Amino acid sequence: EPEVTQTPSHQVTQMGQEVILRCVPISNHLYFYWYRQILGQKVEFLVSFYNNEISEKSEIFDDQFSVERPDGSNFTLKIRSTKLEDSAMYFCASSFDRELILRSSPLHFGNGTRLTVT
Amino acid sequence: GNSVTQMEGPVTLSEEAFLTINCTYTATGYPSLFWYVQYPGEGLQLLLKATKADDKGSNKGFEATYRKETTSFHLEKGSVQVSDSAVYFCALKWANQAGTALIFGKGTTLSVSS
Repeated sequence: EPEVTQTPSHQVTQMGQEVILRCVPISNHLYFYWYRQILGQKVEFLVSFYNNEISEKSEIFDDQFSVERPDGSNFTLKIRSTKLEDSAMYFCASSFDRELILRSSPLHFGNGTRLTVT
Repeated sequence: GNSVTQMEGPVTLSEEAFLTINCTYTATGYPSLFWYVQYPGEGLQLLLKATKADDKGSNKGFEATYRKETTSFHLEKGSVQVSDSAVYFCALKWANQAGTALIFGKGTTLSVSS
């Protein structure tokens, strides 16, 4: 069964450094997402991406964050200048919804990248 | 706004016990409802879903029924196994919104002992 893959599984970085988290969504999916889960807390939506542009973002997704689909397969999340509070598990997801009215298609998640900012 | 509320965990059960994890939601429009499961060290996996009122989602012995009148989507399993130990997330996704993602509850940790 096709799956979403994320690399690396664990990234350690120093405060103020830039990090890029990488994801390969399922190949025929059209919508892509980033979520994060701070240890012990809920899974939070960051951003959704469709047709090569951001379709929705949360208040967490500020100017320090950006997403890109540099080629036909990768989907990346960049944090420009990491802060201690960015330490979290970051999940990439994709879904196959074709219509703008989205309802029933589930999101398929990767195993996550654990980001530790020191 | 739209939100999901799950019962607080952890839930600790013995093998073969009956499981209920409560989930209620607040949403405008007509959301779809999902349960995701996160096994230790792994990502989120779809467990089951329901897309309209009175639908019952089921998978691996788990069931949940979309109750519009009580805005609930409680997860149940008749006989849990040690391998069911995981964190369970209730989530909703609503119609009439372009590019909308899932909203998750806080998650409920289930621990099953033999």
